[in-house]
Amino acid sequence: DVVLTQSPLSLPVTLGQPASVSCRSSQSLVNRNGKTYLIWVRQRPGQSPRRLIYEVSNRDSGVPDRFSGSGSGSDFTLKISRVEAEDVGVYYCMQGTHWPPTFGQGTKVEIK
Amino acid sequence: EVHLVESGGDLAQPGGSLRLSCAASGFTFSGSSMAWVRQGPGKGLEWVATISQDGSEYYVDSIKGRFTISRDNAKNSLYLQMDSLRVEDTAVYYCATSGGGNWGRGTMVTVSS
Repeated sequence: DVVLTQSPLSLPVTLGQPASVSCRSSQSLVNRNGKTYLIWVRQRPGQSPRRLIYEVSNRDSGVPDRFSGSGSGSDFTLKISRVEAEDVGVYYCMQGTHWPPTFGQGTKVEIK
Repeated sequence: EVHLVESGGDLAQPGGSLRLSCAASGFTFSGSSMAWVRQGPGKGLEWVATISQDGSEYYVDSIKGRFTISRDNAKNSLYLQMDSLRVEDTAVYYCATSGGGNWGRGTMVTVSS
């Protein structure tokens, strides 16, 4: 199975400051069709996950533009330009290129 | 608006069975590939199974031969038949569209004697 390694696993951030989460894959996530099925989801405490980014860099509807995704091949990043209180939660990257889909370990974002 | 509502979670004994259901609305269910994803207590997310629009089934190794995913397009419903349950199957089970774009609230399955 593809292993996704996230770092850091814990990310204390000051309100208004940027935050960045890395996700590295054990193999390339480029599909035979040329697309890269790497998504980012956030899980707030006590809630179900919500997708924020799909295919590396596309924001889902309603996701603030302070969230951005980037990367290629096996190295990906989620950035929050200015952290707000509502951004706390656990962020997971997930790949859907290879079966089975797999998730990173999660990065817990909290406010300092 | 997309809604996915899971039900059927319960306490079961090791070796027992449960059937989870997911009622879908707000999108073209028959045209969507669907999945079950689980999260053990205090743990991360684990993909369990996927069923495509044409009914093809895909399972992770840890549940292969014990769980069966199915769908009823006439009822806009997704199912997960869970047999030969193990303690390690204890988790919240989420119904989701297979691209991860939509998730239900989950249903809790506890396997314990």
